Order: sequence, then C-alpha cells, then structure tokens
Amino acid sequence: EAQVTQNPRYLITVTGKKLTVTCSQNMNHEYMSWYRQDPGLGLRQIYYSMNVEVTDKGDVPEGYKVSRKEKRNFPLILESPSPNQTSLYFCASSWERGSTKNIQYFGAGTRLSVL
Amino acid sequence: GEDVEQSLFLSVREGDSSVINCTYTDSSSTYLYWYKQEPGAGLQLLTYIFSNMDMKQDQRLTVLLNKKDKHLSLRIADTQTGDSAIYFCAESIGRYIPTFGRGTSLIVHP
Repeated sequence: EAQVTQNPRYLITVTGKKLTVTCSQNMNHEYMSWYRQDPGLGLRQIYYSMNVEVTDKGDVPEGYKVSRKEKRNFPLILESPSPNQTSLYFCASSWERGSTKNIQYFGAGTRLSVL
Repeated sequence: GEDVEQSLFLSVREGDSSVINCTYTDSSSTYLYWYKQEPGAGLQLLTYIFSNMDMKQDQRLTVLLNKKDKHLSLRIADTQTGDSAIYFCAESIGRYIPTFGRGTSLIVHP
C-alpha cells in the first residue's frame, strides 16, 4: 500500500530536549516536505527536499533541521524544542519522474507538545 | 499578501450545496488542487484541475476555474455530515511543490 509513515503520532516533551520525528515513503517519490499546522494559520511549510542530499528552507524553518540521506526518509529534527513549536506536524511526499503534476501524499500527522 | 487565499469557515445545512472559494496570485499556475482533511487525519487529494480547463465534475463535486480572475471554487452538492472537514486549495506550476491556502472549515449541521 502506498503510504507516508511518520512516527511518533503523539509526543510530549520538555523544552530543550532534542527530538526527531521520522518520515518514510514507499512510492519512490522525489520530493518530500514537512509542514506544521496551527489554528488560524493553516499549513505552513518548514523544509522541503527535491532530491537526495538537497534540502531547502520553507516558510518557517527556524528551530528545525532536516536531512535527506536516502530517497525514502526525511526526518525532522528539533535540536532544542521550545513551547512555540507545539503544533501538528505533517510529512508529505510527491512527484514521480515524468509526471507533469505534483500530488502530495500526506502522513497521518504528529501532534507535538513542548512543555 | 498570501499566494492562495480562502475563507476560514463555511457553515451549511445538510442537503444544501456548499461552495468553497479560493483565489490565487500566480498566473503561471498549471494545476489547481483541492485537498480534504478529516478530523485527526492528514490531507488527502480530493480533486484537481488543469489550468486549461474551466470545469471538472466528479459525482457530487464540481470544480470551477476562472483563470482570468484567478478564482477557483469547489461545489459539493447535497452536502452530508460526512463532508464536514477542512478543505485546502493549492496551486502549483507543473511538477513543483504546491502552495497551500489556510484551509476552509466546512461545518454541516442538520
């Protein structure tokens, strides 16, 4: 089954304790992205990657890191989480070579609370 | 201003039609998308339209595109309580990652 898997689904942590949210896709997609969703602010892109070893900042990259060492995985790293990073996070993957459009496939989400 | 704009809320009565509107700014957009997010879940593609089309219909869904005004709408006929969700409009230029609107929360009441 084609899917984007992110873990964990729920996470409660404390300020300053490093954490990683994993994301994996099995569709051989070239592109992967991380978003955060906050009430009234909609979906905001944190980072994206269009190829292995290539990552770019989205709209709200501060406080986050990502890596794309292999095509299927795109972890999101919070080196020193702060309460303003409490949010719902989504990973997405898209685009097979040769396609003319970009349909995003989203993971189920990770709800993060930073105390 | 934002690249893709949509109103935050829409409330309709069950059985009525819902129309969710979206405006975008990039005239180079080639694909326009509608995604649906049900409570507790990620976004899923509902439908999309290529920029050279004016309309696309799929069962209860009708997408209208006015490229001159950069306006996209999603009409849901005979709206049901199961249609209650957040609907996101998105636009992309070809294969590039889409830009999303803030989402419209559709509330369907009896």
